[in-house]
Amino acid sequence: GAGVSQTPSNKVTEKGKYVELRCDPISGHTALYWYRQSLGQGPEFLIYFQGTGAADDSGLPNDRFFAVRPEGSVSTLKIQRTERGDSAVYLCASSVNKGSAEAFFGQGTRLTVV
Amino acid sequence: KQEVTQIPAALSVPEGENLVLNCSFTDSAIYNLQWFRQDPGKGLTSLLLIQSSQREQTSGRLNASLDKSSGRSTLYIAASQPGDSATYLCAVRGNTPLVFGKGTRLSVIA
Repeated sequence: GAGVSQTPSNKVTEKGKYVELRCDPISGHTALYWYRQSLGQGPEFLIYFQGTGAADDSGLPNDRFFAVRPEGSVSTLKIQRTERGDSAVYLCASSVNKGSAEAFFGQGTRLTVV
Repeated sequence: KQEVTQIPAALSVPEGENLVLNCSFTDSAIYNLQWFRQDPGKGLTSLLLIQSSQREQTSGRLNASLDKSSGRSTLYIAASQPGDSATYLCAVRGNTPLVFGKGTRLSVIA
């Protein structure tokens, strides 16, 4: 596609529910990143994929968070038993590779847990 | 652990002024530094990418410099316009994925 696409753009869910957030990277980009941004803060790293594998998941806050990229393209961030503190904007980015390549971000998914 | 600091946190200037946004980082072992723009409620738009071997990059009215040894970068905006109002984020990439500062919120007053 022309850019990184994230769906949905907004998601409201009840505390304790399960949610899935989708990221469709730029075609041909092997590196994919998930970030979380709280109000007034810079984005914080969650997980990085190189191809199908999670090369670095050190930013995932706990085991309620999980992400997959089964075919090396689209990625899904999954959050179980959502808590109000999970409310944030979840950003996805892709780049040609991990090294020195420019990263391109999607418009984000605003998650609100009520 | 890499830490990125942006100063000032907020800036308000009259239209037409030239301005400088500052970014500093603690670990100079980086591959590149990227400046982004973020409009309220939106994602990040890449403005400039400076590789570690480069000193500066220019795009239109924007000029970004990099002094890797001192851990500093500046974003210079010439002849500011109200449409430049946004949050500007600096991020560095080293052995870890992009590490971001908290941003500078810029308001350009007509």
